[in-house]
Amino acid sequence: LAKTTQPISMDSYEGQEVNITCSHNNIATNDYITWYQQFPSQGPRFIIQGYKTKVTNEVASLFIPADRKSSTLSLPRVSLSDTAVYYCLVGDMRRRNFNKFYFGSGTKLNVKP
Amino acid sequence: DADVTQTPRNRITKTGKRIMLECSQTKGHDRMYWYRQDPGLGLRLIYYSFDVKDINKGEISDGYSVSRQAQAKFSLSLESAIPNQTALYFCATSDASGRDISTDTQYFGPGTRLTVL
Repeated sequence: LAKTTQPISMDSYEGQEVNITCSHNNIATNDYITWYQQFPSQGPRFIIQGYKTKVTNEVASLFIPADRKSSTLSLPRVSLSDTAVYYCLVGDMRRRNFNKFYFGSGTKLNVKP
Repeated sequence: DADVTQTPRNRITKTGKRIMLECSQTKGHDRMYWYRQDPGLGLRLIYYSFDVKDINKGEISDGYSVSRQAQAKFSLSLESAIPNQTALYFCATSDASGRDISTDTQYFGPGTRLTVL
């Protein structure tokens, strides 16, 4: 499965838009890109998932360029409660491809007042 | 997620002891997973089970074993605990039935903090 590379940490201020980019140069044709959010002492929580172009939900947007070698999670107008670690995962959950599943180290987002 | 529970939530044990961490889910999902999380290393997959009779090793299975007693229960055992198994352990579930399983997403429990002295 494709490994991912993300910035270790980012700082932002309340009300700003935050963009977190993930590199996944070895992404395979059947791989999807999924982002999770984790608060301290809690399990990760699904945020958004996509395959190509742009996906938007009530929480975030996900931008994926044509070559799919990277993706950008966009959080509009962050608040203090968005302070968390954000993980980018790339993979195919189908049985024969599920050899390993990498969460990586994630990006620690610190939102300041 | 209250639908995925883990017991105990915290455990302190000594080197060489046998430890079992339990996970239960009421979501009716077929797939269950065990991860460990160490500071700065994110989550790493220990074992995963696609159904009761299908159990597979993950990235870091050495020193661990699992048991899938039923669809709803997936236990992780440390046969002889060692200090470098001190970590936060998460159980997760996912449901690949009836949908495009390549997009399957996981639901995590609250975690078990294990300390091995």
